[in-house]
Amino acid sequence: DTAVSQTPKYLVTQMGNDKSIKCEQNLGHDTMYWYKQDSKKFLKIMFSYNNKELIINETVPNRFSPKSPDKAHLNLHINSLELGDSAVYFCASSQGAEIGELFFGEGSRLTVL
Amino acid sequence: AQSVTQLDSQVPVFEEAPVELRCNYSSSVSVYLFWYVQYPNQGLQLLLKYLSGSTLVESINGFEAEFNKSQTSFHLRKPSVHISDTAEYFCAVSDSLGYALNFGKGTSLLVTP
Repeated sequence: DTAVSQTPKYLVTQMGNDKSIKCEQNLGHDTMYWYKQDSKKFLKIMFSYNNKELIINETVPNRFSPKSPDKAHLNLHINSLELGDSAVYFCASSQGAEIGELFFGEGSRLTVL
Repeated sequence: AQSVTQLDSQVPVFEEAPVELRCNYSSSVSVYLFWYVQYPNQGLQLLLKYLSGSTLVESINGFEAEFNKSQTSFHLRKPSVHISDTAEYFCAVSDSLGYALNFGKGTSLLVTP
């Protein structure tokens, strides 16, 4: 059973399109995250939700909109895709009491043509 | 803001040789420090962490890291590496709430026979 699962794993699309990446965790954690990893493998946090409430919103274009329907799911919707959005997007989860112990999904590789 | 600097982007090493991956942090307050490992085409996994107490922390697969407050470092070491240790290693720092990790730029460890 995959603890943090993301779909799709690969996504190839044209500039200007809108796409979504879904994330689900079955660990019972109360906090979920989206991270972006660029081509140089640099990881940067984008958003964090705790019990469906947005608690971290880094400097991310407002074309990116996270949605947490419940605490086991955190989806990422991207409007008007740009070339620079090409990256691997990682979902992660953690339990509040376990500082810094994030469980990552396998990543979703987005390629914008 | 708390941040970490990984001093080496790539570290090539022969199998069974010792290795040290360097990480320095910047923070004026208490820090929580972590090492994560990313195997090819996978998400990140927690390798070890320092929250408080003993400054030497160990992982189950033979890695260890030492928190050095005077040198603001948290270097990762292994006395004898295996081919299977080939991966990207990320140092990370968390705030006291643990809601976000700030990652370093990663060190690519390449172990060759």
